[in-house]
Amino acid sequence: EPEVTQTPSHQVTQMGQEVILRCVPISNHLYFYWYRQILGQKVEFLVSFYNNEISEKSEIFDDQFSVERPDGSNFTLKIRSTKLEDSAMYFCASRADSYEQYFGPGTRLTVT
Amino acid sequence: AQSVTQPDIHITVSEGASLELRCNYSYGATPYLFWYVQSPGQGLQLLLKYFSGDTLVQGIKGFEAEFKRSQSSFNLRKPSVHWSDAAEYFCAVGGYGGSQGNLIFGKGTKLSVKP
Repeated sequence: EPEVTQTPSHQVTQMGQEVILRCVPISNHLYFYWYRQILGQKVEFLVSFYNNEISEKSEIFDDQFSVERPDGSNFTLKIRSTKLEDSAMYFCASRADSYEQYFGPGTRLTVT
Repeated sequence: AQSVTQPDIHITVSEGASLELRCNYSYGATPYLFWYVQSPGQGLQLLLKYFSGDTLVQGIKGFEAEFKRSQSSFNLRKPSVHWSDAAEYFCAVGGYGGSQGNLIFGKGTKLSVKP
């Protein structure tokens, strides 16, 4: 069964450093998402991406964040200058035309 | 603004007992409704979804959920809980007007199962 994959599973970085989180969505999916879950809190929407551009973003997704689909398979989330409060689990999700989204296993980002 | 409420933060049930997890949403029309399960250290797995039609939907692992428009609810049920069901359960709303289907999640209900 096809699945969304994410790398790395855990990333530790120092405050102010740039990080790139990578995702490989399910191959025939057209819509891509990033969500985050701060420890003990609910899952929050960050950004959606369709047809090679951002289609919607939340207030969390400020200028420090960017997304890219550099080739036909990868979907990346970049945080330019990490802050302590960026520590969270980041989930990638994708979907086809149906609204049901399939989530990856997540990347745990720890900013020290 | 759209919102999802899961009033129970933590529920403990005995193995074999029935389970109902509550979910209420706030939205002007009928959104798309989902239940996801998250085991410790794992990602989110889709249990079931409601888009339209029959208000009782069946999902994986023996779960079902009932959409009640009058109560703006989408409660998750299972007739007999197994120890492996211990996890956190999230209700989510998506597909509301003008969006690209991004989901709004409730805060989750953690389920513990007693032997």
